[in-house]
Amino acid sequence: GENVGLHLPTLSVQEGDNSIINCAYSNSASDYFIWYKQESGKGPQFIIDIRSNMDKRQGQRVTVLLNKTVKHLSLQIAATQPGDSAVYFCADTFSGTYKYIFGTGTRLKVLA
Amino acid sequence: DGGITQSPKYLFRKEGQNVTLSCEQNLNHDAMYWYRQDPGQGLRLIYYSQIVNDFQKGDIAEGYSVSREKKESFPLTVTSAQKNPTAFYLCASSIGGGSNYGYTFGSGTRLTVV
Repeated sequence: GENVGLHLPTLSVQEGDNSIINCAYSNSASDYFIWYKQESGKGPQFIIDIRSNMDKRQGQRVTVLLNKTVKHLSLQIAATQPGDSAVYFCADTFSGTYKYIFGTGTRLKVLA
Repeated sequence: DGGITQSPKYLFRKEGQNVTLSCEQNLNHDAMYWYRQDPGQGLRLIYYSQIVNDFQKGDIAEGYSVSREKKESFPLTVTSAQKNPTAFYLCASSIGGGSNYGYTFGSGTRLTVV
């Protein structure tokens, strides 16, 4: 995709399998986390969020896991479909600031 | 449908020229943001505005300017002082600021220096 280009880590998954995308964050004060999906030529779309008082949250076909001890966030996509092919990135922030820190992203490729 | 609209989708700028990127939202959101996206990097904040007639510099404001005369609109001007303007620019809005609100993003403007 033109908008997040050439040097992203890539995860290739067979259609129907589960995908796990990982993200590390650095600020131990962060208390709100979001996963975004970005398709080629488009702006990022909100997928799911989680607050620091939780360690797991489920949506439709997606689950976010938060491990505050090691500052790690993961996004699990169940039964991956071709339409899931995109770049996924995480963002974190903390109370009292307008500023989010965005990860660099992982490209998910779904193989037919 | 409510949303956030960026225009144009593609923009070409000559050396030494100022260009303005448009961002309009009809979500009644108070806060608006401009981010720059480069290959291999996370989004970087250029400017943000919490309320009409107020805006703050982000991490990479040099060479950019903004205005917030209306709640719906937050245009970004890329000036000739910005030495490396080629990038994908994303506008976003949120109901408010802080850690309780996620962003709604526009579809982006790809700026290329020719």
